[in-house]
This record gives sequence, structure tokens and C-alpha cells, in this order.
Amino acid sequence: DAMVIQNPRYQVTQFGKPVTLSCSQTLNHNVMYWYQQKSSQAPKLLFHYYDKDFNNEADTPDNFQSRRPNTSFCFLDIRSPGLGDAAMYLCATSLGQGRSGNTIYFGEGSWLTVV
Amino acid sequence: DQQVKQNSPSLSVQEGRISILNCDYTNSMFDYFLWYKKYPAEGPTFLISISSIKDKNEDGRFTVFLNKSAKHLSLHIVPSQPGDSAVYFCAASRGGADGLTFGKGTHLIIQP
Repeated sequence: DAMVIQNPRYQVTQFGKPVTLSCSQTLNHNVMYWYQQKSSQAPKLLFHYYDKDFNNEADTPDNFQSRRPNTSFCFLDIRSPGLGDAAMYLCATSLGQGRSGNTIYFGEGSWLTVV
Repeated sequence: DQQVKQNSPSLSVQEGRISILNCDYTNSMFDYFLWYKKYPAEGPTFLISISSIKDKNEDGRFTVFLNKSAKHLSLHIVPSQPGDSAVYFCAASRGGADGLTFGKGTHLIIQP
């Protein structure tokens, strides 16, 4: 059974129209992450939550926001998607404690197309 | 500035032979290293990891070697099977919950 579930798997949005991607986990992990991956590139960390503490990467554009209403759910909001935001968005979780707690478990990803 | 580098974008290996995927890193603060396997249109799947206090970790057909002095790690797959054809990402962690730094990946192709 999938332990990190992302919805939707495929999302098409119009240029400038806000979009929300969702992620849920059954692992009860402390940390939830959002990564962006473009074709032939490394996954790039956007931000993460350790419990309720939000940690934004320095180079993440303001256009990207996140919410974590509880342990199980985390959302990625793109306020005004541009063509350059078309990518796969990966949600991931980890325990965040101890060395092996840094192992990150990914969801299946959400493909975003901007038209 | 790429802190984790996978210099081979692709690698072709015959079925049954050994596949060796390489990864170099620059940040000496990294203390935990992982390999992920990714099929198209799916999220990365955790494969194997190694702590900086070890130089080798084995799990079935997969072995990861770490050379700290050279800041180099490698993933050995033996014997290679058709289902191993995928993109393999090397990743590194500084500890805590800060997330992983990934390389760009190596596309492994297993030929029959």
C-alpha cells in the first residue's frame, strides 16, 4: 500500500491560475518535504515542515507556498503558475531523527502542466 | 554549485554483468548517503544507504561503497537484470531534517 499519496497525479492549469497539490502520509513521520523536479534535473527542495515548523529554502520563489494542517497532510500552493513552473512535484517524508531518520520516502509525484 | 555530482548521464550494461554507478560530492558535512531508483512518471524509490562511519553496505544484489577521503561513492548491482533499467539518483544528507541534496541521475540501461 502506498504510504505517501499525492493528488492529483496529473494537473493542467492555466497560466496565472492558482493551483494546489496535496500530499498525505500514513507513516506518521515528523517531516514532510516538497521537491520540484524538471526533466533531466536533480530533484530540488522547495521547503519542508518539521512538525508545524516551516523551513523555506532560500531560493524558493514567493509564488510557492505550503500548508500543513496536521501530521498527515501537506499542501503545495502555487499562487500564479508560470510556464517555467511546469514540472513534477514530489512530496516526501522522513522521521527526521537520527542518521537513518534522514531516509526520505517519496510519493508518486504530481505532474503539473501550465498552458 | 553542484554539491553532488553524477558525471555519467547514462550507462549501458549487459544483462547478468555488473553495473557500477558513480557519485562524487564536495561538501564534507555530508554524513549519510543514499541511492534512489526512479522509473518514468513515478517518484524515486529508496534503494540503499550508507553512513559516513562505514565504507560498505550490502543489500542483496546492491552494494554501496563509500570512500570518504576521495568524497566518492559507488553503487554496484550484480548481476544486472532487465528490471534494473531506470534512473538512479545519488543523494546526500548533513543530518537532521534538512532534506537531501541530489545528483542529476544516471540512466541505467540493461541490455539483453
